[in-house]
Amino acid sequence: SQQGEEDPQALSIQEGENATMNCSYKTSINNLQWYRQNSGRGLVHLILIRSNEREKHSGRLRVTLDTSKKSSSLLITASRAADTASYFCAGNTGKLIFGQGTTLQVKP
Amino acid sequence: GAVVSQHPSWVICKSGTSVKIECRSLDFQATTMFWYRQFPKQSLMLMATSNEGSKATYEQGVEKDKFLINHASLTLSTLTVTSAHPEDSSFYICSADRGNYGYTFGSGTRLTVV
Repeated sequence: SQQGEEDPQALSIQEGENATMNCSYKTSINNLQWYRQNSGRGLVHLILIRSNEREKHSGRLRVTLDTSKKSSSLLITASRAADTASYFCAGNTGKLIFGQGTTLQVKP
Repeated sequence: GAVVSQHPSWVICKSGTSVKIECRSLDFQATTMFWYRQFPKQSLMLMATSNEGSKATYEQGVEKDKFLINHASLTLSTLTVTSAHPEDSSFYICSADRGNYGYTFGSGTRLTVV
């Protein structure tokens, strides 16, 4: 059962630009997590934001959470070609329910 | 760091046969593990929650008799796809619940049924 919707579904930018991905979810969550997946591979945990937090930073990543709107955003600043991957949000309700994902292509 | 080992990484099987996928926590105990399925260019769909020593909890629409889950120890959960058909071809990923330390994912198994 998918919980979240993400937009855009696909994003193509030039190296150095910022990439913003949005995620919405349906039910109450304990926290929201963002993951990255390179083609055909496993998941890499990027960042976790708790339900009582509004913003969190980790390196070039910035995550926001708006529990009133049940939405989150992931910003990747100064993107690199190596950031090319699929990005998923996942709401934690005691189990992780994933959004649809955004496929990011960063052109060198 | 905590590692979840998933085997095999890929498998090709004939239609009608069964395939077992193992998910093992290497340096921690996992009372709860989760099994996901991912079709090409789609997201991860939660199939079931595997609890050590008890029956798995399946998500709506997932056939429990087709996807057998066994979690007999605190470090091992297995998913058996029974009587596999081409439409079962997918990427299967497990994850282990580490409580306050979050979730650790296996590297996934690509199943191709021919």
